[in-house]
Parts: sequence; structure tokens; C-alpha cells
Amino acid sequence: QQQVKQSPQSLIVQKGGIPIINCAYENTAFDYFPWYQQFPGKGPALLIAIRPDVSEKKEGRFTISFNKSAKQFSLHIMDSQPGDSATYFCAASQGGSEKLVFGKGTKLTVNP
Amino acid sequence: EAGVAQSPRYKIIEKRQSVAFWCNPISGHATLYWYQQILGQGPKLLIQFQNNGVVDDSQLPKDRFSAERLKGVDSTLKIQPAKLEDSAVYLCASSRTRLHEQYFGPGTRLTVT
Repeated sequence: QQQVKQSPQSLIVQKGGIPIINCAYENTAFDYFPWYQQFPGKGPALLIAIRPDVSEKKEGRFTISFNKSAKQFSLHIMDSQPGDSATYFCAASQGGSEKLVFGKGTKLTVNP
Repeated sequence: EAGVAQSPRYKIIEKRQSVAFWCNPISGHATLYWYQQILGQGPKLLIQFQNNGVVDDSQLPKDRFSAERLKGVDSTLKIQPAKLEDSAVYLCASSRTRLHEQYFGPGTRLTVT
């Protein structure tokens, strides 16, 4: 069974803090690693994605760090804001953006 | 550009009843996905269509779930008969091709009592 293990399950930070969410995968054939953001009552929305040929990718306040040898990747949110409060899912797939395998999600709360 | 549309947004049924969900993907998107998201878990792919053909339905419980995408545009997902464990949010997503980003609809929250 292909799995993506995500931690922590929930996370509370103060405004301006840097929450870090971690994911680990087993299938070495995975070559696409996206992060999705989901607000209550909405579908997931793509936040940022990385492929294993780079170790880090930044888009605005969001950064993915990727460690191919450890089969781990993480999401960092710089200068977090209350509007970032949402559930974040990591995912992985092989050969493109289809057949995504999702982690169980991390509920992030950013207090004012 | 309009997003992925789904209806109904909420549905409550009794076990052993049947239910159907409808999805209208983003215009021009050839690939359509149905996911099941149980509370506290990430989405799980049920079925993937490329135009009106099935690409992957390996995780679809075919004894009770069925899906179709007539004319390669709208799609329906049906459950018959429903079980208590089918209570979940059913998400539809679409992408321009199999290699492009998936855009998700708001989902249908199903409660089976």
C-alpha cells in the first residue's frame, strides 16, 4: 500500500510564527510532491509543489524542503497569519499530477 | 473562469438507500477525478476519467459505487445501496490533462444514517 505519512495532526502557532508540517513517503518512484490547503466547506487547493530534482522551492511565504535520501518533505509557512488557518495536506504521485496519494492532513491554527 | 461545480452540497439518506452526485468540470478539462474524503483523512481517489473513458477505478467499490462521464464533460457518481461507512465528503476534481494541476470542487457532504 502506497502511503504518505503526515505530522503533526494539529498545530497551533502565534501570528508571525513559522509552522512546519512534515511528510514521509515510502515509494521511491514518487516524483511529484504537492501541498494542498483546504478551508472548511471548500475543496483542497494547490499551494505549492516540488519535484525531486531540487531540494527547496519557495513561493511567497510558503517553502517546501525536500530530502530525497530520507524520503521526507516539509512545508514551512513564514510569517504566518490568521488567514493561514486551514487544513494542509501533503501528497505524492508517480509520473505526473494524477493518482495523488494524500496524507491525513494537519489542522493549522494561527492565533492573532 | 468558472471552477468545478458540484451538487448537491449536502445529502442525508438512510442506509440501503441510493444517492447520486453530479460534477461539472472546468471547461476544456479532459481529466476528471472523484475522491472520497472521510472526516479527519485526506482525499482518496475513487475513479479517474480521461474524456469519457475510465483510466483508473481500482479503488472504487464496484459492488455499490458506479460512475459515468457521458460525452466527456459532466459526471455522476452513484452509490446503491449506501452503507453507514459511506458517510464522507465526495470531491470532484478536474485537470486540463493528466499531467496538469487538479482543481477541486467544494464537495458533497453525505451523511448515511
